[in-house]
Amino acid sequence: DTAVSQTPKYLVTQMGNDKSIKCEQNLGHDTMYWYKQDSKKFLKIMFSYNNKELIINETVPNRFSPKSPDKAHLNLHINSLELGDSAVYFCASSQGSRGAGEQYFGPGTRLTVT
Amino acid sequence: GENVEQHPSTLSVQEGDSAVIKCTYSDSASNYFPWYKQELGKGPQLIIDIRSNVGEKKDQRIAVTLNKTAKHFSLHITETQPEDSAVYFCAASMAFGNEKLTFGTGTRLTIIP
Repeated sequence: DTAVSQTPKYLVTQMGNDKSIKCEQNLGHDTMYWYKQDSKKFLKIMFSYNNKELIINETVPNRFSPKSPDKAHLNLHINSLELGDSAVYFCASSQGSRGAGEQYFGPGTRLTVT
Repeated sequence: GENVEQHPSTLSVQEGDSAVIKCTYSDSASNYFPWYKQELGKGPQLIIDIRSNVGEKKDQRIAVTLNKTAKHFSLHITETQPEDSAVYFCAASMAFGNEKLTFGTGTRLTIIP
């Protein structure tokens, strides 16, 4: 009964390719997030969706496009992959749209661009 | 925007001793301060959080203190055990804003048996 799941766990691809990472949460939460963790372990938010509506969009290249088909899913599509996109990407979810609460993180997707 | 600084970046303590990790934040509007533990190969997991209306919170061996005037908060782990070894992150956000968590840079805690 995984709370926040991501697929794939590992993704190795070449520069210029397009790839997607999928995220699903079964917690009934309203808000979902994508974070990027670089090689120095620094965690930075990329996007946040509340009930399929984009509410946070940090300064992320427009090669990154999140898609939320419903409030339990938030996918991340990346076009024209670059070496600098190599990182671990975490999906997270939380309850509510206007009230900080615990964010539950998925296990991460390690993306390696060669 | 919010900026969170975290120290130290690495910390080694003998098993049974206490560990303290400190964070400072810049935005006085922040009022929610969680701490996350990240074990190798896993996602961060919330271990304790504090809101600005309290100065201290405890949960068994872990405690968090908050000084809103000085804009700093700390994590205290007592009677450390080998399973406490992990990377710890502090974070800050506005509890009734857009829930954007700004994370510190992380502290790699190693417990020496």
